[in-house]
Amino acid sequence: DSGVTQTPKHLITATGQRVTLRCSPRSGDLSVYWYQQSLDQGLQFLIQYYNGEERAKGNILERFSAQQFPDLHSELNLSSLELGDSALYFCASSTGQVATNEKLFFGSGTQLSVL
Amino acid sequence: AQKVTQAQTEISVVEKEDVTLDCVYETRDTTYYLFWYKQPPSGELVFLIRRNSFDEQNEISGRYSWNFQKSTSSFNFTITASQVVDSAVYFCARGSGTYKYIFGTGTRLKVLA
Repeated sequence: DSGVTQTPKHLITATGQRVTLRCSPRSGDLSVYWYQQSLDQGLQFLIQYYNGEERAKGNILERFSAQQFPDLHSELNLSSLELGDSALYFCASSTGQVATNEKLFFGSGTQLSVL
Repeated sequence: AQKVTQAQTEISVVEKEDVTLDCVYETRDTTYYLFWYKQPPSGELVFLIRRNSFDEQNEISGRYSWNFQKSTSSFNFTITASQVVDSAVYFCARGSGTYKYIFGTGTRLKVLA
């Protein structure tokens, strides 16, 4: 058990809908990362937050947004969903201190199916 | 973009064979960090190793070993005497002071009994 909690585990929705994925980081971790894993794309970095502030942005679509709350949990909002958004969405957390012996701890992921 | 390339999409070996998974990275950073993660069929990503750019020592952990060569920008992973439980997707990743952790596309390893 990595200590990172993601909910829900599975989500089935229709095109055009909006969903929210939730992530609670490991106790003590200040940084949260979101990744999208599609069958042929590997792990695509979406966005990173550190202590409530956006720190780095990857290939995140404009239809997607995220935030990190004061209690450090994070939510990833996906709107106007398309079939191609179907993927496994991972959250990871870390201390945010990359120069130390930091590593990412991953949640078990949310499997999103857009029908 | 500073990529991480895992050219081997899928590898199949017979149990007890040795297997090497290749990883080549690009970076403009002087200091950076390299990782390997394992994704077993259960789906969760499991940390295997972190290597700092300023430490080129190779590492061995049981049946696992890693070969870091800055000259060729490679960080290869070898499993000795592979076992069926090693079957998984393995990801190589690079992190840096810009905080983004970039992952390769993964190598699916199938170990056949």
